[in-house]
Amino acid sequence: EAGVAQSPRYKIIEKRQSVAFWCNPISGHATLYWYQQILGQGPKLLIQFQNNGVVDDSQLPKDRFSAERLKGVDSTLKIQPAKLEDSAVYLCASSLYERGTQYFGPGTRLLVL
Amino acid sequence: AQTVTQSQPEMSVQEAETVTLSCTYDTSESDYYLFWYKQPPSRQMILVIRQEAYKQQNATENRFSVNFQKAAKSFSLKISDSQLGDAAMYFCALRGSQGNLIFGKGTKLSVKP
Repeated sequence: EAGVAQSPRYKIIEKRQSVAFWCNPISGHATLYWYQQILGQGPKLLIQFQNNGVVDDSQLPKDRFSAERLKGVDSTLKIQPAKLEDSAVYLCASSLYERGTQYFGPGTRLLVL
Repeated sequence: AQTVTQSQPEMSVQEAETVTLSCTYDTSESDYYLFWYKQPPSRQMILVIRQEAYKQQNATENRFSVNFQKAAKSFSLKISDSQLGDAAMYFCALRGSQGNLIFGKGTKLSVKP
């Protein structure tokens, strides 16, 4: 069974530029999560989807971050414009159902200069 | 608010020895799950072990076991017969009411040959 796929693995941009990350969850998993992991800290939830609906986006900086999960499968996370403090690893995770065990992708490491 | 605290930023263990990583948490819910995740350097987050709060018996997975003290809100991880491959960041996590994970700051485990 294929795991959670993410791309790109690494991205370097300058501040005020835009960037997008892609996530493909494990087949059949209804719930998808995006976490932000700043160096030296544990991951923090940005947004949670159940199928193509948003369950929780309370910690998503909506003035610059957006996410979508069209058709309830793949998801994209966008930052526009990026700030220096957005430098982090962005982790995507999925679970079979809302309170199921989460499986993580390899992450996208973002560096904002 | 739900919180997870890991008070040991770094730990070290000799190969083949036993080490215990500490975690405390706070939640007002009666039904919850606790997890330990392992994150090797530049590699993805892997589930090590999980504990259901309503189960009194401590979870065990091969060399990994937990000491779950519900009244004290403590959830420690014991690694027996430590191996070089156990070297990683270890995160304690609490599953929130909507399924998202709340992570501690992590403990970096080093294994000495």
